[in-house]
Amino acid sequence: GAGVSQSPRYKVAKRGQDVALRCDPISGHVSLFWYQQALGQGPEFLTYFQNEAQLDKSGLPSDRFFAERPEGSVSTLKIQRTQQEDSAVYLCASSLDGAGPREKLFFGSGTQLSVL
Amino acid sequence: AQSVTQLGSHVSVSEGALVLLRCNYSSSVPPYLFWYVQYPNQGLQLLLKYTSAATLVKGINGFEAEFKKSETSFHLTKPSAHMSDAAEYFCAVSENTGNQFYFGTGTSLTVIP
Repeated sequence: GAGVSQSPRYKVAKRGQDVALRCDPISGHVSLFWYQQALGQGPEFLTYFQNEAQLDKSGLPSDRFFAERPEGSVSTLKIQRTQQEDSAVYLCASSLDGAGPREKLFFGSGTQLSVL
Repeated sequence: AQSVTQLGSHVSVSEGALVLLRCNYSSSVPPYLFWYVQYPNQGLQLLLKYTSAATLVKGINGFEAEFKKSETSFHLTKPSAHMSDAAEYFCAVSENTGNQFYFGTGTSLTVIP
């Protein structure tokens, strides 16, 4: 596609539910990042993929968070047993090559997750 | 670890006035520095980036930023504000190695007609 696509745009979950957030990066982009943006804050790094390999998951806040990119294109961020503190906008970004964040990142519009 | 400080969470300027958004970073080595803009209901877009080639970096939409190592600053400026510049602006830093961006908390720019 023309840009990074994320779905759903909005997600409301009851506390304890599992959610799955999808990211379609720009076709051919090697690097893929997930960020969490709390209200009034800047994006915070969650995890990084180079193709299908998850090279850095140091930003995942707990073992309830899991991300995958099995075929090196579409990625899914899964949050199990959601808590209210998980409420945030989840941003996906991709870049053309494997230079990581030194290259230009293309961001999706994000998924706004609200946990009630 | 790197960190970024954006002074002023909200900045208001009159249309046609100078825009100055401040960013200071902490780093023991020259980092890569970026400014991203986020328009309502849109993803972040790269405005400009510093990669040590030149200290004055020109970006899109008339914005520019100057890297000042002595001040550990990377302030964003635009000579004349337009109504369309109203948005959230984020300064970010990344290291020469590793995979992480460190974003500031953002500055919301309002342009007053």
